[in-house]
Amino acid sequence: GAGVSQSPRYKVTKRGQDVALRCDPISGHVSLYWYRQALGQGPEFLTYFNYEAQQDKSGLPNDRFSAERPEGSISTLTIQRTEQRDSAMYRCASSLVPSGAREKLFFGSGTQLSVL
Amino acid sequence: AQTVTQSQPEMSVQEAETVTLSCTYDTSESDYYLFWYKQPPSRQMILVIRQEAYKQQNATENRFSVNFQKAAKSFSLKISDSQLGDAAMYFCAYRSYNNNDMRFGAGTRLTVKP
Repeated sequence: GAGVSQSPRYKVTKRGQDVALRCDPISGHVSLYWYRQALGQGPEFLTYFNYEAQQDKSGLPNDRFSAERPEGSISTLTIQRTEQRDSAMYRCASSLVPSGAREKLFFGSGTQLSVL
Repeated sequence: AQTVTQSQPEMSVQEAETVTLSCTYDTSESDYYLFWYKQPPSRQMILVIRQEAYKQQNATENRFSVNFQKAAKSFSLKISDSQLGDAAMYFCAYRSYNNNDMRFGAGTRLTVKP
């Protein structure tokens, strides 16, 4: 696609429910990143993939959070047993080539998650 | 771990004037990249400018320029001839040469007055 696409744009859920957030990176982009952005704060790194391999998940806050990218393209971030503190904008980004800090990240519009 | 600090939660500038946004960072690394991102009300993340730490010359992109002081670990953004469309949140970010996570500051909200 022309840009990084995320769905849904908005997600409202009840505490305790599981949610799955989807990211469709730019076609051909090797690296895919997940960030979380609380209101009034900068994005916080969660995890990233090169192709289908999860390279670093050190930013995932706890074991309720997981991510996958089974075919090296679309990725899903899953939050189990959601809590109110999980409410935030979840943003995906992709880059053309793996590693290399110089590579430009292309960000999606994000999924705004609200846990009631 | 690297940290990025933006000490100005809010800044204001008159249209056509110049404004400077501050950013400092903490790292023990010698090779890294620094970025400024703009986030308008649409909440898109737009790359404004990028600086490689090994380059002494300050990066410039049209009306946007940086003042990179490596020894002081300072990376300020100067916006010249400010326009109404420059109003947004601005995030400073650090990215290590050796890994891929990007660390962001808390942001500075810029208001442009007509």
